[in-house]
Amino acid sequence: AQSVTQLDSHVSVSEGTPVLLRCNYSSSYSPSLFWYVQHPNKGLQLLLKYTSAATLVKGINGFEAEFKKSETSFHLTKPSAHMSDAAEYFCVVAAIKAAGNKLTFGGGTRVLVKP
Amino acid sequence: KAGVTQTPRYLIKTRGQQVTLSCSPISGHRSVSWYQQTPGQGLQFLFEYFSETQRNKGNFPGRFSGRQFSNSRSEMNVSTLELGDSALYLCASSLEGYGIPDTQYFGPGTRLTVL
Repeated sequence: AQSVTQLDSHVSVSEGTPVLLRCNYSSSYSPSLFWYVQHPNKGLQLLLKYTSAATLVKGINGFEAEFKKSETSFHLTKPSAHMSDAAEYFCVVAAIKAAGNKLTFGGGTRVLVKP
Repeated sequence: KAGVTQTPRYLIKTRGQQVTLSCSPISGHRSVSWYQQTPGQGLQFLFEYFSETQRNKGNFPGRFSGRQFSNSRSEMNVSTLELGDSALYLCASSLEGYGIPDTQYFGPGTRLTVL
């Protein structure tokens, strides 16, 4: 079984300041982890993906995430927030391949960016 | 390459009716998954189809069903609609689903409102 916990349901930052979105996971196997972003009334867009290669993963729009096995964490960061970053972010763990494609989502973190 | 498309984008139904939603995956993608997104339950996995066969199923009642056609297009059906079925239904496609979990690419969703 696998699960994902996003530690903050809401995060508020000022434009130009760093963003940190926290995610802890639980998985019986070496996990594949993703961060997706959802802008209002839109589908989900992939930000980045970890699949047991480099532990520091760089994604689109300046986002990156670090996989820490000892802490079972996969936190998402961005050095400088932009107004367009206001959205909901989901940390996701993928099932092992024998189970086909099945994603388990965290509860989401809604990001507010203040001017 | 065109992304995942879903039709219709918006749908209003009344309790007891049934509804069919359609998803066209990215060209060449053979796996199609469906997810339900609600404010209360978040994003939940419904089922996954690969090569016209249901490969994985979430914890939803039998009123929720789906199928996949030979061109990989997929439909999901909800019978005897209940108020609680009001949600955003998201479809995602991926290449094949073997080896390291594939990245899933999401469509814009179908917003279903049950009155």
